[in-house]
Amino acid sequence: GENVEQHPSTLSVQEGDSAVIKCTYSDSASNYFPWYKQELGKRPQLIIDIRSNVGEKKDQRIAVTLNKTAKHFSLHITETQPEDSAVYFCAASNQASGTYKYIFGTGTRLKVLA
Amino acid sequence: DGGITQSPKYLFRKEGQNVTLSCEQNLNHDAMYWYRQDPGQGLRLIYYSQIVNDFQKGDIAEGYSVSREKKESFPLTVTSAQKNPTAFYLCASSIDREAFFGQGTRLTVV
Repeated sequence: GENVEQHPSTLSVQEGDSAVIKCTYSDSASNYFPWYKQELGKRPQLIIDIRSNVGEKKDQRIAVTLNKTAKHFSLHITETQPEDSAVYFCAASNQASGTYKYIFGTGTRLKVLA
Repeated sequence: DGGITQSPKYLFRKEGQNVTLSCEQNLNHDAMYWYRQDPGQGLRLIYYSQIVNDFQKGDIAEGYSVSREKKESFPLTVTSAQKNPTAFYLCASSIDREAFFGQGTRLTVV
């Protein structure tokens, strides 16, 4: 079935360093790849997304890259800050009959050490 | 104030009982979803619905049931057939591509 693998499960970085989280998806028909941030006790919130016709997208300190051939996409956070500490989820979705069925990765707990 | 609301925030259930989790949205979104979140397992799809009176099973639908009688509402019933119901449940809705999540309901079986 459809699957999204996410690595690493935990990641600790020093404040100011970069963090990279990687995901691999199995459904070649997937055409939308969002990233969600979930702070402790809060709901997941979209931080950046990329569509299948784009290879890279950047928003200030956050960037996402997509390699459709390898079915691989990554989240890059530069100049990390303590408030970046959270759980990050990648997802892949494929529009089926007008509904985007999101398949999520298992999450990465990012800790930014001050 | 537009958004997606889940209630209750915490729910306790005795073994063998059915329980219903509420999810309401006033965003005028067509699609709605239920996810289960367990530590180390991410978000797993239980059911999703595109339109009123139509819904599809996700990856872990066994022991759960849903209804979609109104566009705004997508309640989830956790039945006694669900063997391990203790978890955090998230409801979401979407238009176009972005999914918006509710605050979640933490269900504990006692």
